[in-house]
Amino acid sequence: GESVGLHLPTLSVQEGDNSIINCAYSNSASDYFIWYKQESGKGPQFIIDIRSNMDKRQGQRVTVLLNKTVKHLSLQIAATQPGDSAVYFCAENIRASVAAGNKLTFGGGTRVLVKP
Amino acid sequence: DGGITQSPKYLFRKEGQNVTLSCEQNLNHDAMYWYRQDPGQGLRLIYYSQIVNDFQKGDIAEGYSVSREKKESFPLTVTSAQKNPTAFYLCASSTGQGGNQETQYFGPGTRLLVL
Repeated sequence: GESVGLHLPTLSVQEGDNSIINCAYSNSASDYFIWYKQESGKGPQFIIDIRSNMDKRQGQRVTVLLNKTVKHLSLQIAATQPGDSAVYFCAENIRASVAAGNKLTFGGGTRVLVKP
Repeated sequence: DGGITQSPKYLFRKEGQNVTLSCEQNLNHDAMYWYRQDPGQGLRLIYYSQIVNDFQKGDIAEGYSVSREKKESFPLTVTSAQKNPTAFYLCASSTGQGGNQETQYFGPGTRLLVL
């Protein structure tokens, strides 16, 4: 079946370097994507989102890139800090039906470890 | 102080026992969701509700039940039929105002353990 997945389960980054987290999706009907950050024992925290009519969106120290041609999504974190250590999930929005509403499908997650 | 609250933070279940996890939101969101997360894995949708008194099964609804009697509340019951209930349970909500861009905001989670 169609799914959202991630290429790298663990990413080790030196403090101050940039991080890039990748995500592949296969559902061509998805038109909205979200990145979440989850710290240990806590609920996922919204980071940034992007609509399918955009290629790039920037937030504070984060940038999301969307390549619809190859169905690829990435999250870039600039100047990675120790507080960025967490698991990052991408999610795609699939509208199940008008009656059923919207559903999010999550990828498996990438753990980012920031080395001092 | 607006947000989504879940209680309890930890819950222990005995064999054959039903337990109920609480989820409350004061964001005035119409839609609410329940997810299950197993260690080192992503989130899987259990049930969701777009409006009061209505809900739909997600991908792994077997062994679970929900109710949506109030807009603010969406409790999840883990029944004895759920043979492997140990997991981290996450509740989320969204505006549910339609369109196809619906950001979901999550609560802090409840960790369920079987005795």
